[in-house]
Amino acid sequence: EPEVTQTPSHQVTQMGQEVILRCVPISNHLYFYWYRQILGQKVEFLVSFYNNEISEKSEIFDDQFSVERPDGSNFTLKIRSTKLEDSAMYFCASRGQESYEQYFGPGTRLTVT
Amino acid sequence: KNEVEQSPQNLTAQEGEFITINCSYSVGISALHWLQQHPGGGIVSLFMLSSGKKKHGRLIATINIQEKHSSLHITASHPRDSAVYICAVSSNYQLIWGAGTKLIIKP
Repeated sequence: EPEVTQTPSHQVTQMGQEVILRCVPISNHLYFYWYRQILGQKVEFLVSFYNNEISEKSEIFDDQFSVERPDGSNFTLKIRSTKLEDSAMYFCASRGQESYEQYFGPGTRLTVT
Repeated sequence: KNEVEQSPQNLTAQEGEFITINCSYSVGISALHWLQQHPGGGIVSLFMLSSGKKKHGRLIATINIQEKHSSLHITASHPRDSAVYICAVSSNYQLIWGAGTKLIIKP
Protein backbone atom coordinates (compact mmCIF):
# COMPACT_ATOMS: atom_id res chain seq x y z
CA GLU A 1 0.00 0.00 0.00
CA PRO A 2 1.44 3.42 -0.89
CA GLU A 3 2.51 5.55 2.04
CA VAL A 4 3.95 8.93 2.86
CA THR A 5 7.52 8.77 4.10
CA GLN A 6 9.53 11.35 6.02
CA THR A 7 13.23 11.73 6.74
CA PRO A 8 14.91 11.98 9.10
CA SER A 9 12.83 10.44 11.87
CA HIS A 10 14.68 12.54 14.44
CA GLN A 11 16.78 15.66 13.92
CA VAL A 12 18.74 17.44 16.62
CA THR A 13 20.07 20.87 15.76
CA GLN A 14 21.48 23.91 17.47
CA MET A 15 19.56 27.15 17.74
CA GLY A 16 20.16 29.35 14.71
CA GLN A 17 20.93 26.49 12.36
CA GLU A 18 18.97 25.74 9.22
CA VAL A 19 17.11 22.45 8.93
CA ILE A 20 15.40 20.77 6.02
CA LEU A 21 12.73 18.19 6.69
CA ARG A 22 11.96 15.89 3.83
CA CYS A 23 8.78 14.17 2.77
CA VAL A 24 7.92 11.86 -0.08
CA PRO A 25 4.16 12.07 -0.64
CA ILE A 26 2.11 9.35 -2.31
CA SER A 27 3.06 9.44 -5.95
CA ASN A 28 -0.21 10.47 -7.61
CA HIS A 29 -1.22 12.96 -4.94
CA LEU A 30 -1.42 16.63 -5.78
CA TYR A 31 -2.02 18.37 -2.45
CA PHE A 32 0.67 18.52 0.21
CA TYR A 33 0.65 19.70 3.79
CA TRP A 34 2.91 20.31 6.75
CA TYR A 35 1.68 20.19 10.33
CA ARG A 36 3.50 20.41 13.60
CA GLN A 37 2.77 19.18 17.10
CA ILE A 38 4.61 20.63 20.05
CA LEU A 39 4.95 18.05 22.81
CA GLY A 40 1.74 17.83 24.81
CA GLN A 41 -0.18 20.15 22.50
CA LYS A 42 -2.53 19.66 19.60
CA VAL A 43 -1.54 19.36 15.99
CA GLU A 44 -1.30 22.71 14.18
CA PHE A 45 -1.56 23.45 10.49
CA LEU A 46 1.50 25.08 8.94
CA VAL A 47 1.03 25.19 5.18
CA SER A 48 -0.71 23.64 2.22
CA PHE A 49 0.81 23.37 -1.24
CA TYR A 50 -0.76 22.71 -4.62
CA ASN A 51 0.37 23.21 -8.18
CA ASN A 52 3.83 24.29 -7.08
CA GLU A 53 2.66 27.08 -4.86
CA ILE A 54 1.43 27.68 -1.35
CA SER A 55 -2.38 27.50 -1.11
CA GLU A 56 -2.67 28.61 2.46
CA LYS A 57 -0.41 29.15 5.43
CA SER A 58 -0.97 29.73 9.11
CA GLU A 59 0.39 32.49 11.34
CA ILE A 60 3.07 30.07 12.50
CA PHE A 61 4.48 29.85 8.97
CA ASP A 62 6.49 33.06 9.03
CA ASP A 63 9.50 34.13 6.97
CA GLN A 64 11.68 31.57 8.73
CA PHE A 65 9.77 28.78 7.02
CA SER A 66 9.68 27.79 3.39
CA VAL A 67 8.45 24.82 1.39
CA GLU A 68 9.61 23.45 -1.88
CA ARG A 69 8.92 20.64 -4.28
CA PRO A 70 12.43 20.39 -5.75
CA ASP A 71 11.63 17.42 -7.97
CA GLY A 72 8.67 15.22 -8.82
CA SER A 73 8.76 13.26 -5.59
CA ASN A 74 10.09 15.26 -2.65
CA PHE A 75 8.32 17.93 -0.63
CA THR A 76 10.53 19.78 1.83
CA LEU A 77 10.06 22.11 4.77
CA LYS A 78 12.98 24.41 5.54
CA ILE A 79 13.41 26.33 8.76
CA ARG A 80 15.99 29.00 8.13
CA SER A 81 17.20 29.81 11.62
CA THR A 82 15.80 27.45 14.21
CA LYS A 83 14.57 28.62 17.58
CA LEU A 84 14.04 26.59 20.73
CA GLU A 85 10.29 26.86 20.25
CA ASP A 86 10.55 25.12 16.87
CA SER A 87 11.12 21.87 18.73
CA ALA A 88 8.16 19.71 17.77
CA MET A 89 7.01 16.75 15.74
CA TYR A 90 6.53 17.74 12.11
CA PHE A 91 4.07 15.78 10.01
CA CYS A 92 3.77 15.79 6.26
CA ALA A 93 0.53 14.76 4.58
CA SER A 94 -0.74 14.40 1.06
CA ARG A 95 -4.04 13.81 -0.67
CA GLY A 96 -5.34 13.15 -4.11
CA GLN A 97 -7.71 15.11 -6.28
CA GLU A 98 -10.78 13.00 -5.61
CA SER A 99 -10.95 12.96 -1.83
CA TYR A 100 -10.30 15.18 1.16
CA GLU A 101 -8.70 12.26 2.97
CA GLN A 102 -5.13 13.05 3.90
CA TYR A 103 -2.42 10.47 4.37
CA PHE A 104 0.18 11.20 6.98
CA GLY A 105 3.85 10.45 7.20
CA PRO A 106 5.33 9.07 10.42
CA GLY A 107 6.69 12.47 11.41
CA THR A 108 10.08 14.01 12.06
CA ARG A 109 10.89 14.87 15.64
CA LEU A 110 12.90 18.10 15.63
CA THR A 111 14.83 19.00 18.76
CA VAL A 112 16.46 22.42 18.89
CA THR A 113 19.07 22.85 21.60
CA LYS B 1 -13.21 29.61 21.44
CA ASN B 2 -11.69 26.62 19.68
CA GLU B 3 -13.15 25.82 16.31
CA VAL B 4 -13.07 22.09 17.05
CA GLU B 5 -13.93 20.87 20.51
CA GLN B 6 -13.63 17.29 21.71
CA SER B 7 -14.93 15.58 24.79
CA PRO B 8 -13.92 14.01 26.98
CA GLN B 9 -10.29 15.08 27.17
CA ASN B 10 -9.36 11.84 28.90
CA LEU B 11 -11.22 8.56 29.12
CA THR B 12 -10.32 5.42 31.02
CA ALA B 13 -12.48 2.34 30.61
CA GLN B 14 -12.41 -1.40 31.17
CA GLU B 15 -11.87 -3.84 28.36
CA GLY B 16 -15.11 -4.64 26.64
CA GLU B 17 -16.83 -1.34 27.34
CA PHE B 18 -18.57 0.69 24.65
CA ILE B 19 -16.67 3.94 24.08
CA THR B 20 -18.01 7.24 22.75
CA ILE B 21 -15.89 10.27 21.92
CA ASN B 22 -17.59 13.47 20.83
CA CYS B 23 -16.57 16.29 18.53
CA SER B 24 -18.26 19.63 17.90
CA TYR B 25 -17.15 22.22 15.40
CA SER B 26 -18.11 25.78 14.65
CA VAL B 27 -16.85 26.34 11.11
CA GLY B 28 -18.12 25.34 7.70
CA ILE B 29 -16.53 22.10 6.65
CA SER B 30 -16.15 19.94 3.59
CA ALA B 31 -15.36 16.82 5.61
CA LEU B 32 -14.64 15.62 9.13
CA HIS B 33 -11.82 13.28 9.99
CA TRP B 34 -11.21 10.95 12.88
CA LEU B 35 -7.57 10.09 13.41
CA GLN B 36 -5.63 7.95 15.82
CA GLN B 37 -2.28 8.85 17.34
CA HIS B 38 -0.28 6.23 19.19
CA PRO B 39 2.35 6.98 21.86
CA GLY B 40 5.09 6.81 19.24
CA GLY B 41 3.51 9.84 17.61
CA GLY B 42 2.39 8.50 14.24
CA ILE B 43 -1.01 9.60 12.96
CA VAL B 44 -3.38 7.23 11.20
CA SER B 45 -6.57 8.28 9.49
CA LEU B 46 -9.54 6.24 10.71
CA PHE B 47 -12.48 7.86 8.97
CA MET B 48 -13.32 10.72 6.72
CA LEU B 49 -17.00 11.57 6.50
CA SER B 50 -19.21 14.34 5.29
CA SER B 51 -22.60 12.83 6.14
CA GLY B 52 -24.25 9.89 7.86
CA LYS B 53 -22.31 7.03 9.33
CA LYS B 54 -19.32 4.86 8.58
CA LYS B 55 -18.24 1.58 10.13
CA HIS B 56 -14.91 -0.17 10.06
CA GLY B 57 -14.55 -3.23 12.23
CA ARG B 58 -15.32 -2.21 15.82
CA LEU B 59 -15.20 1.49 15.00
CA ILE B 60 -18.23 3.56 14.04
CA ALA B 61 -18.25 7.24 13.16
CA THR B 62 -21.33 9.40 12.77
CA ILE B 63 -21.84 12.98 11.81
CA ASN B 64 -24.77 15.37 12.10
CA ILE B 65 -24.11 18.27 9.75
CA GLN B 66 -27.03 20.37 11.03
CA GLU B 67 -25.85 20.10 14.61
CA LYS B 68 -22.15 20.32 13.67
CA HIS B 69 -21.41 17.29 15.75
CA SER B 70 -19.71 13.95 15.25
CA SER B 71 -19.15 10.92 17.42
CA LEU B 72 -16.65 8.10 17.31
CA HIS B 73 -17.73 4.83 18.91
CA ILE B 74 -15.64 1.81 19.75
CA THR B 75 -17.48 -1.41 20.49
CA ALA B 76 -15.96 -4.21 22.61
CA SER B 77 -12.97 -2.03 23.48
CA HIS B 78 -9.58 -3.64 23.87
CA PRO B 79 -6.31 -2.45 25.48
CA ARG B 80 -4.78 -2.09 22.01
CA ASP B 81 -7.36 0.65 21.33
CA SER B 82 -5.49 2.82 23.84
CA ALA B 83 -4.37 5.90 21.95
CA VAL B 84 -5.22 9.54 21.39
CA TYR B 85 -8.23 10.00 19.11
CA ILE B 86 -8.35 13.26 17.25
CA CYS B 87 -11.17 14.95 15.41
CA ALA B 88 -10.16 17.31 12.61
CA VAL B 89 -12.25 19.18 10.04
CA SER B 90 -11.41 20.12 6.48
CA SER B 91 -12.11 23.82 6.11
CA ASN B 92 -10.80 25.78 3.14
CA TYR B 93 -7.38 24.37 2.36
CA GLN B 94 -6.48 23.06 5.78
CA LEU B 95 -7.32 20.65 8.55
CA ILE B 96 -8.38 22.26 11.80
CA TRP B 97 -7.56 19.93 14.67
CA GLY B 98 -9.19 19.16 17.95
CA ALA B 99 -7.06 18.70 21.04
CA GLY B 100 -7.62 14.95 21.09
CA THR B 101 -9.10 12.47 23.53
CA LYS B 102 -6.66 10.26 25.39
CA LEU B 103 -8.23 6.82 25.71
CA ILE B 104 -6.91 4.15 28.04
CA ILE B 105 -8.49 0.72 28.04
CA LYS B 106 -7.59 -1.38 31.05
CA PRO B 107 -7.53 -5.18 30.80
